[in-house]
Amino acid sequence: QSVLTQPPSASGTPGQRVTISCSGSSSNIGSNTVNWYQQFPGTAPKVLIYSNNQRPSGVPDRFSGSKSGTSASLAISGLQSEHEADYYCAAWDDSLNGWVFGGGTKLTVL
Amino acid sequence: QVQMVQSGTEVKKPGASVKVSCKASGYTFTTYGISWVRQAPGQGLEWMGWISAYNGNTNYAQKLQGRVTMTRDTSTSTAYMELRSLRSDDTAVYYCAREAGTSSTGYYFHYWGQGTLVTVSS
Repeated sequence: QSVLTQPPSASGTPGQRVTISCSGSSSNIGSNTVNWYQQFPGTAPKVLIYSNNQRPSGVPDRFSGSKSGTSASLAISGLQSEHEADYYCAAWDDSLNGWVFGGGTKLTVL
Repeated sequence: QVQMVQSGTEVKKPGASVKVSCKASGYTFTTYGISWVRQAPGQGLEWMGWISAYNGNTNYAQKLQGRVTMTRDTSTSTAYMELRSLRSDDTAVYYCAREAGTSSTGYYFHYWGQGTLVTVSS
């Protein structure tokens, strides 16, 4: 059982915009920034979004993040087959004094 | 360019210990902390703990307190994670991840190692 809650799956058709939600509590998302990671099978995760809505250099602007209260979301616009991957949210938890992750969302492009 | 290169696959028996290394290059090693994150087969990511490459201070996940030790060797720019009393549910890919960010903007895991598969089986 992950501390942050994500839907296990999401899907969309090419060109569509999809969003993935991440729900937490006052001790994590409610008081700290949220990061999003993308992971392809057999490879290490890669940061997509940090500090709620910031993109590292090299991450296209089709990826965007937002946060409100104790929830956050990742949006992917102009969906492409290459976006099929697992997506994880993460935040620092003040009560646990450590990082917590969502359970991950498997994105399928139909 | 920044690289985090981990040691190879390990197979251990229950009750044994494993020590995974993570050699950093492409930046000043003591500037950034390193976290260890593991992923059991078909499962999500789990943060194990963090070590300051600067002074060796550590912060371990509560679940692993007493079984995990993280160290670093500044002379070789290498971080280590040792896990003791291994159980079958410790079977996972173990990643090291270099942090980035600041206390005001928040931290995140910017550079990751390639992962080390640790299999615990009798």
